[in-house]
Amino acid sequence: QQQVKQSPQSLIVQKGGISIINCAYENTAFDYFPWYQQFPGKGPALLIAIRPDVSEKKEGRFTISFNKSAKQFSLHIMDSQPGDSATYFCAASVENTDKLIFGTGTRLQVFP
Amino acid sequence: KAGVTQTPRYLIKTRGQQVTLSCSPISGHRSVSWYQQTPGQGLQFLFEYFSETQRNKGNFPGRFSGRQFSNSRSEMNVSTLELGDSALYLCASSRRQGYNEQFFGPGTRLTVL
Repeated sequence: QQQVKQSPQSLIVQKGGISIINCAYENTAFDYFPWYQQFPGKGPALLIAIRPDVSEKKEGRFTISFNKSAKQFSLHIMDSQPGDSATYFCAASVENTDKLIFGTGTRLQVFP
Repeated sequence: KAGVTQTPRYLIKTRGQQVTLSCSPISGHRSVSWYQQTPGQGLQFLFEYFSETQRNKGNFPGRFSGRQFSNSRSEMNVSTLELGDSALYLCASSRRQGYNEQFFGPGTRLTVL
């Protein structure tokens, strides 16, 4: 019940296209859902996050869509760029804790 | 504002040794969490510290321990190292426990031979 399932494992997108990564969870006590971006040799960087009382959050080219009833959330990267090529992790945590449960990661490659 | 710093960045040890890793959180951040990242298991939560107290612990053996100091800096220790402990150890900080917004350091790459 503590798992966060992430798909796809890898994604190849052409420059200018839309990248979509999906995550699903079981634990209804999760109340914070961040996405992290990680480049090789670096630590994960917080990209965008959402709470269950909101169905969508947009920051620049990055959008989180959240479906509370389906217990799913997704990251959309609009106008994908080669510089977006990285591994993306979804995560979830329970209120009053900093313990993050991470998905397995999606390796995104954006080709010119 | 300086980010989360971790020292050392790289470490090579042999089986049976012990190791101590250090983490300095972002200035003003009082909560520190540690994670282990491996290709096989992904990112796994180790522990969470706030106000010098361990608030949460992941599913790791007792060989993994940590502590937090009054200035919020944190250390983690792994005793009796095993080959499987080879991993990237990441530290993350947030303003306070449960604030949620966590920022990660660059990690310490531990190799156990």
